[in-house]
Amino acid sequence: AQTVTQSQPEMSVQEAETVTLSCTYDTSESDYYLFWYKQPPSRQMILVIRQEAYKQQNATENRFSVNFQKAAKSFSLKISDSQLGDAAMYFCAYRSAGTYKYIFGTGTRLKVLA
Amino acid sequence: NAGVTQTPKFQVLKTGQSMTLQCAQDMNHEYMSWYRQDPGMGLRLIHYSVGAGITDQGEVPNGYNVSRSTTEDFPLRLLSAAPSQTSVYFCASSQDGYNEQFFGPGTRLTVL
Repeated sequence: AQTVTQSQPEMSVQEAETVTLSCTYDTSESDYYLFWYKQPPSRQMILVIRQEAYKQQNATENRFSVNFQKAAKSFSLKISDSQLGDAAMYFCAYRSAGTYKYIFGTGTRLKVLA
Repeated sequence: NAGVTQTPKFQVLKTGQSMTLQCAQDMNHEYMSWYRQDPGMGLRLIHYSVGAGITDQGEVPNGYNVSRSTTEDFPLRLLSAAPSQTSVYFCASSQDGYNEQFFGPGTRLTVL
């Protein structure tokens, strides 16, 4: 069975600095998708970025980028120029290409310090 | 578009009671899912549907039933509530399996 591990329960970053959130996963499959979701205090889940496993190029969305290392089964999220609005829980998620079953990690709480 | 709506927002039940959490989406999405979120455990998939009339179990299906008679609605039924089902429940929908899942605002359920 696939698993997703986020080993950092909490991280802090100074406003305008860069922070990296870690995510590792375990799978025997070769075709899958990876996602980062943000959950602010409002509880609303928001997609931040997604990556297709067959694409070697790392996904980027404005200040958010990923470092996808398929062989190492690692999918970290880098947030550049951190803003106060980035403070939230961040969840890494995995989905096999063959199913609609998403597997989420336990989350990392990000605090942004002014 | 209202997106994904969930009712109620809050609910308190007694052990053994039954209830249905409602979920509706107006985006004509084929894929819909139910998750529960517990402290320290992230989101766990309960049931999902890939279209009207088609449902399947997720990671934690025991104690929950679903049906999908229309594209728009995907209700989650608790047949006999237990304290272990105290959680925040999220419904989500997406156009397909890869594109963004849109989440509802969640239902906080407490079972006494």
